[in-house]
Amino acid sequence: EDQVTQSPEALRLQEGESSSLNCSYTVSGLRGLFWYRQDPGKGPEFLFTLYSAGEEKEKERLKATLTKKESFLHITAPKPEDSATYLCAALNQAGTALIFGKGTTLSVSS
Amino acid sequence: DAGVIQSPRHEVTEMGQEVTLRCKPISGHDYLFWYRQTMMRGLELLIYFNNNVPIDDSGMPEDRFSAKMPNASFSTLKIQPSEPRDSAVYFCASSFGRQSSYNSPLHFGNGTRLTVT
Repeated sequence: EDQVTQSPEALRLQEGESSSLNCSYTVSGLRGLFWYRQDPGKGPEFLFTLYSAGEEKEKERLKATLTKKESFLHITAPKPEDSATYLCAALNQAGTALIFGKGTTLSVSS
Repeated sequence: DAGVIQSPRHEVTEMGQEVTLRCKPISGHDYLFWYRQTMMRGLELLIYFNNNVPIDDSGMPEDRFSAKMPNASFSTLKIQPSEPRDSAVYFCASSFGRQSSYNSPLHFGNGTRLTVT
């Protein structure tokens, strides 16, 4: 069964304290690995898509990387406005729909 | 573009009542998805449509759930009768083309928070 697991469930950082979020996946024929950001009371907002192992994407303080088994979302020198839930999702070879992990809730304090 | 629009934002109803959730996708998008989000199970796909035709409804939990897409700009998710375990946030999302390229990510609405007492 295709599955996406994220860790940790919650992460508290001080402003400027860099860290990484993990997304492990077991998906048949991965066609894409997606990262979304979700703010309270809002729908998920698209951040990145990664297609093959070794690929990296960057946006401001965020960098996403992909291996054959997992993806990491690196957060460099985070700010309080980076506080949100980060969702990872995988698209398998057979389907059109994404398989989501449960997310990592990041809190950044100043 | 106004994005994906869902209504209502909040719905509180009593067990046994019928509930209808509404969604207007982004104009031009040909795929529409209904997801449900809970703390326990995260985001789960319920059903999706392509060009207004239901493609996969295997995620619909029971016959109490039904979804329609009468035209390209409107979809509904109906629960009849509703039960307390249906309490969750229901999201509608749309995309242009299959989600296999950077140019066709999912765009989500802000969801409907359903509480069934």
